[in-house]
Amino acid sequence: QTVVTQEPSFSVSPGGTVTLTCGLSSGLVYTTHYPSWYQQAPGQAPRTLIYNTNIRSSGVPDRFSGSILGNKAALTIAGAQADDESDYYCLLYMGGDILLFGRGTKLTVL
Amino acid sequence: EVQVVESGGGLVRPGGSLRLSCTASGFPFNTYWMHWVRQVPGEGLVWVSHIDGAGSGTTYADSVRGRFTVSRDNVKNTLYLQMNSLRVDDTAVYFCASGGRAYSIGYWGQGTLVTVSS
Repeated sequence: QTVVTQEPSFSVSPGGTVTLTCGLSSGLVYTTHYPSWYQQAPGQAPRTLIYNTNIRSSGVPDRFSGSILGNKAALTIAGAQADDESDYYCLLYMGGDILLFGRGTKLTVL
Repeated sequence: EVQVVESGGGLVRPGGSLRLSCTASGFPFNTYWMHWVRQVPGEGLVWVSHIDGAGSGTTYADSVRGRFTVSRDNVKNTLYLQMNSLRVDDTAVYFCASGGRAYSIGYWGQGTLVTVSS
């Protein structure tokens, strides 16, 4: 069974830059997986950050950017702020109208 | 203003059934895919099901296929999730969400908690 892999946790200093990745147990992530990224603060519903690999959702600051890095999708957060401390999830299109979330990365800003 | 509001969660015994509803407004509901996503408290997001705008195409995660049925009423701007043969491991917060561009998820509700326990 295919698993979408993400780092379980990551830490970044305030003002720093961090790149979270999203891989596939079965192989490479391509743009045709249409990777998207979601931020979930504690106790809140998720918020859509990035779709179609690198397009920011409305209202998302340009500190957040998406890309394909090597064989994975990536979310880069520049100039990290305290309220970026959240869980981050990637979502991949697996074909046949099936979607699959990664297990999430818990980002700490300290 | 976009609003997505789930209802129908609660406590149900293993083997029982429950129907969740989701009312949406502020966007052209009948043209949007809709999704159900669930989250066990303290764990990650899990995509559960989708339905296309017309209601003619549906897909499910392996863990719920054959037990859950998604449907929609485009007159009432409402999405449903009929959950049968519920198991303890179906316990989760269930989020209703609209499809976004390029197979993403757009607008999210706040979720409704389903607890399956004897």
